[in-house]
Amino acid sequence: KNEVEQSPQNLTAQEGEFITINCSYSVGISALHWLQQHPGGGIVSLFMLSSGKKKHGRLIATINIQEKHSSLHITASHPRDSAVYICAARRRFLGDKIIFGKGTRLHILP
Amino acid sequence: NAGVTQTPKFRVLKTGQSMTLLCAQDMNHEYMYWYRQDPGMGLRLIHYSVGEGTTAKGEVPDGYNVSRLKKQNFLLGLESAAPSQTSVYFCASTLGGQNEAFFGQGTRLTVV
Repeated sequence: KNEVEQSPQNLTAQEGEFITINCSYSVGISALHWLQQHPGGGIVSLFMLSSGKKKHGRLIATINIQEKHSSLHITASHPRDSAVYICAARRRFLGDKIIFGKGTRLHILP
Repeated sequence: NAGVTQTPKFRVLKTGQSMTLLCAQDMNHEYMYWYRQDPGMGLRLIHYSVGEGTTAKGEVPDGYNVSRLKKQNFLLGLESAAPSQTSVYFCASTLGGQNEAFFGQGTRLTVV
């Protein structure tokens, strides 16, 4: 079982829909990242969370430390949001290793 | 991601050739990492470093070597490239703890 699990693996939605991507992890963490990667592109950090909730524009990220679960929400989705979204857990101790989920491929239809 | 620079961005190697990928950061970060990204596999940790002069193996270290002679640079070496090492390689760095992590733009390597 992977230490970081994401769901769904693929998601297609219509423009304007509310999007939720989930991440569960099984290890102790110091922080959790949500990352975005466009096809053939680099990795951009959207959020880093250690507790609670963060909001940036139409993006919202939440984390529940007790349940070892995080969610990324996109409100009023737009075709330009189409990308791979990756959850990454920063392992507490053990060299602060960053362990990645396999990503969620999001496609927003106009 | 201006703080983490990877070179080169693209490279084609013949089987058996060697090369070195450079990851450079100017943020005085202690921790640096090399990952490879393959379709359906996500990013997997190759090697990492928790400080100048230290390195450690990650999840998929075979066929790779690393060095961290200077704090700002983390080098990934392929001594004898194999087609299985065709991948996109990403470098990351962080101060650690609850500090932000930064990622390089990736190196697309093809071994023929």
